[in-house]
Amino acid sequence: DQQVKQNSPSLSVQEGRISILNCDYTNSMFDYFLWYKKYPAEGPTFLISISSIKDKNEDGRFTVFLNKSAKHLSLHIVPSQPGDSAVYFCAASASNAGNMLTFGGGTRLMVKP
Amino acid sequence: DAGITQSPRHKVTETGTPVTLRCHQTENHRYMYWYRQDPGHGLRLIHYSYGVKDTDKGEVSDGYSVSRSKTEDFLLTLESATSSQTSVYFCASRWSVNTEAFFGQGTRLTVV
Repeated sequence: DQQVKQNSPSLSVQEGRISILNCDYTNSMFDYFLWYKKYPAEGPTFLISISSIKDKNEDGRFTVFLNKSAKHLSLHIVPSQPGDSAVYFCAASASNAGNMLTFGGGTRLMVKP
Repeated sequence: DAGITQSPRHKVTETGTPVTLRCHQTENHRYMYWYRQDPGHGLRLIHYSYGVKDTDKGEVSDGYSVSRSKTEDFLLTLESATSSQTSVYFCASRWSVNTEAFFGQGTRLTVV
C-alpha cells in the first residue's frame, strides 16, 4: 500500500502564476517531509523540506505547507517559471523507523511561457 | 552538491545473469538507499542501509540484494536479472534523520 501519494500525475500552469503541488500520506509516524525536482536523465535534486513540528517553510519562490491532521502537504511555487517544468516528488521519513525515505509517484509540472 | 556517483551509468545484460550496481559517496553519510524509477510508479525503495553491514528491505526488494562493507560504498546486486528489472536505478545518501538526501545520476539497466 502506497504510504505517500501524489494524486495529480500532471499540472499545467501559465508562467508567472502560482503552481500548487499536493501530496498525501498515510503513516502517522512520518515526521520529516521533503520535495524533490527531477529533470529527464538526471537524479532528483532537493528543493525544500519541513519537519512535523512546523506547518510552513519558505525558501525563495518555494513554500511547503504541512497539515498534520489531514496528513497532507503541498508545495507552492510563486511565480512559476518555464525552468520549473520538471517532475516533482514528495518524500517522507520516520526517524524512529529505520530512517526509510519513501517517495510519492511524482507530478509532472509544465509551465507555459 | 554531495559527491555521490553511480556506476555503470548504462548497462545491457541478458536474462538470468547476475548484475551489480555500485554507489559511491564521499560525504561520510550514514544512510544510503537504492531506488528504482518506473513510469507510473515514481521512486520505489529497494533496500536501504543505516550503517556499515546494517541493511534492510524496502518495498520492492524481491530479486535484489545489497551489501555495505564500507561507509562510502553501497552495492546493489540482481541475483538473476529478469526483464521486469529493466529500469532506472538511483542511489541516494544522507547524513542523518531530518536532513536531505542526495542522489546519484542514475543507472539505466536493460535486461534482454
